[in-house]
Amino acid sequence: SQQGEEDPQALSIQEGENATMNCSYKTSINNLQWYRQNSGRGLVHLILIRSNEREKHSGRLRVTLDTSKKSSSLLITASRAADTASYFCATGMRGGSEKLVFGKGTKLTVNP
Amino acid sequence: DAGVIQSPRHEVTEMGQEVTLRCKPISGHDYLFWYRQTMMRGLELLIYFNNNVPIDDSGMPEDRFSAKMPNASFSTLKIQPSEPRDSAVYFCASSSLLGQPQHFGDGTRLSIL
Repeated sequence: SQQGEEDPQALSIQEGENATMNCSYKTSINNLQWYRQNSGRGLVHLILIRSNEREKHSGRLRVTLDTSKKSSSLLITASRAADTASYFCATGMRGGSEKLVFGKGTKLTVNP
Repeated sequence: DAGVIQSPRHEVTEMGQEVTLRCKPISGHDYLFWYRQTMMRGLELLIYFNNNVPIDDSGMPEDRFSAKMPNASFSTLKIQPSEPRDSAVYFCASSSLLGQPQHFGDGTRLSIL
């Protein structure tokens, strides 16, 4: 069963706007990762945030983690048409498992 | 810097046929993962290897599925016999360390008629 659940399932915005995607999970985690998938391609890692971190930045990406609420958010600022893709969160569960459990993703469309 | 390489990119075959998917991980990565992606179930982990040894195959749906990793640079996922419900995109991914980001290939889109 999915550990991470992204919200919303789909998001459509205009170029230049910010896009926020959320992820909720159920059990204790070591880290949480965000990935992007362009149509017809494999997933590409964007950012990893550890369970003892609250916020992390990478370029136009900002990720927050609230372990008390078991949730994370991915913010893409000043979106571009090239940001159109599906975005997935993946949780690495506490206990040392190498497995990542992926959510079903948020499909982001950025209209030019 | 070569990424994870999968072949074939597309496979169309008839029900009952044997299907073999191939993967070359990134050199130096000790972990290799096979995933299946469908609209209904999302991305599911089928099996993963550490140093060529299968560690967890609990995601393999049935005995019709088997995976091998004969050496550090090659892995196969085999379906025999194939069924229409096996139609999906199959991804291979590799990573260097526990919990580190995974690098994905571009997948094999499998259609079983």
